[in-house]
Amino acid sequence: DAGVIQSPRHEVTEMGQEVTLRCKPISGHNSLFWYRQTMMRGLELLIYFNNNVPIDDSGMPEDRFSAKMPNASFSTLKIQPSEPRDSAVYFCASSPARQGAGELFFGEGSRLTVL
Amino acid sequence: AQSVTQLDSQVPVFEEAPVELRCNYSSSVSVYLFWYVQYPNQGLQLLLKYLSGSTLVKGINGFEAEFNKSQTSFHLRKPSVHISDTAEYFCAVSVYSSASKIIFGSGTRLSIRP
Repeated sequence: DAGVIQSPRHEVTEMGQEVTLRCKPISGHNSLFWYRQTMMRGLELLIYFNNNVPIDDSGMPEDRFSAKMPNASFSTLKIQPSEPRDSAVYFCASSPARQGAGELFFGEGSRLTVL
Repeated sequence: AQSVTQLDSQVPVFEEAPVELRCNYSSSVSVYLFWYVQYPNQGLQLLLKYLSGSTLVKGINGFEAEFNKSQTSFHLRKPSVHISDTAEYFCAVSVYSSASKIIFGSGTRLSIRP
């Protein structure tokens, strides 16, 4: 069975450039999450969707960040313009359950470096 | 609001020794509790979870955790660790009534010495 698929695995870009990270959740899962992991701040929840609808985006750092889920099998996280402090590993995770008892299935992450 | 505190950022132990990784949570309502493991350059994967019922929960790779409501703790234990257990371990909490919002602790890095 295919797990959560993220692309790209690695991205190196220059400050000011637009970055788009992509995620394909596990088929049949109705919740999708974007997390950011850094040494300083640990694992932070950025936004999560349920049935393609954003439920809580309070973790999105600022207006430079945006996320979409146009259908049940695809989500994007966009940073425009990117800054060096955005360098981190970004994880996408999906879950089969709406309520908090659901297990999260993580992708392998997208490592972003902004120079 | 809920929060999770992992008291140790790093835990070094010798191979075949027992280990306990500590986790405390704060919540005014009932919660679900989880432990996840992250191996180098990988995403997190579920070790075990407590939803209700027996307070002793067994997970994969020989790990177990005990929910203690009075102490608001959910410590992770393994009686004998192996080199392959070297990883970062995250405690997490979610609330019954919340739509899947799971909050992670800061992580504990477990390093196993031969």
